[in-house]
Amino acid sequence: AQTVTQSQPEMSVQEAETVTLSCTYDTSESDYYLFWYKQPPSRQMILVIRQEAYKQQNATENRFSVNFQKAAKSFSLKISDSQLGDAAMYFCAYTFGFGNEKLTFGTGTRLTIIP
Amino acid sequence: DAGITQSPRYKITETGRQVTLMCHQTWSHSYMFWYRQDLGHGLRLIYYSAAADITDKGEVPDGYVVSRSKTENFPLTLESATRSQTSVYFCASSDGGAYGYTFGSGTRLTVV
Repeated sequence: AQTVTQSQPEMSVQEAETVTLSCTYDTSESDYYLFWYKQPPSRQMILVIRQEAYKQQNATENRFSVNFQKAAKSFSLKISDSQLGDAAMYFCAYTFGFGNEKLTFGTGTRLTIIP
Repeated sequence: DAGITQSPRYKITETGRQVTLMCHQTWSHSYMFWYRQDLGHGLRLIYYSAAADITDKGEVPDGYVVSRSKTENFPLTLESATRSQTSVYFCASSDGGAYGYTFGSGTRLTVV
């Protein structure tokens, strides 16, 4: 079974600084999809960024980027120029796709932004 | 256009009672999922459905029942609620990992 591990239960960063959230996963597949979701206090699950494993290029979305290391099975999220609105729980998630669409989540990292 | 709607948003029920959480999506997505979120566990899959009348167990299915007679609805029933089922429940839908997943706003269920 696939597993997703987030080893940092909590992190904090000064406003305007850069922070990196770690995620590792375990799979025997060569093609799959990885996601980072943000959950603010409103409880809504918001997609931050998505990476397709067969694409070598790291995905980016404005201030959010990933460092995808396929051989190491690592998928870290970098948030640049941190803002107060970035404070939330962040979840890393994996799916194989191709008919097996179950999404497996890590346990989450709570990010605090220090003004 | 609400996309995916869960109801109720909050629910308090007593141990032993049956309770149903509703989920409705307007995207006509093939796949629908139920997750529970607990501190220290992230989101864990309870049940999922690949299409109408096709359902399968996830990681933590015990004590739950689902049905999917129509593509757009995927209710989750707790047949006899227990305190260990106190949690936040999320419904999600998707047309596959290549297209992403859409989540409802969640139901906070408290079993007393």
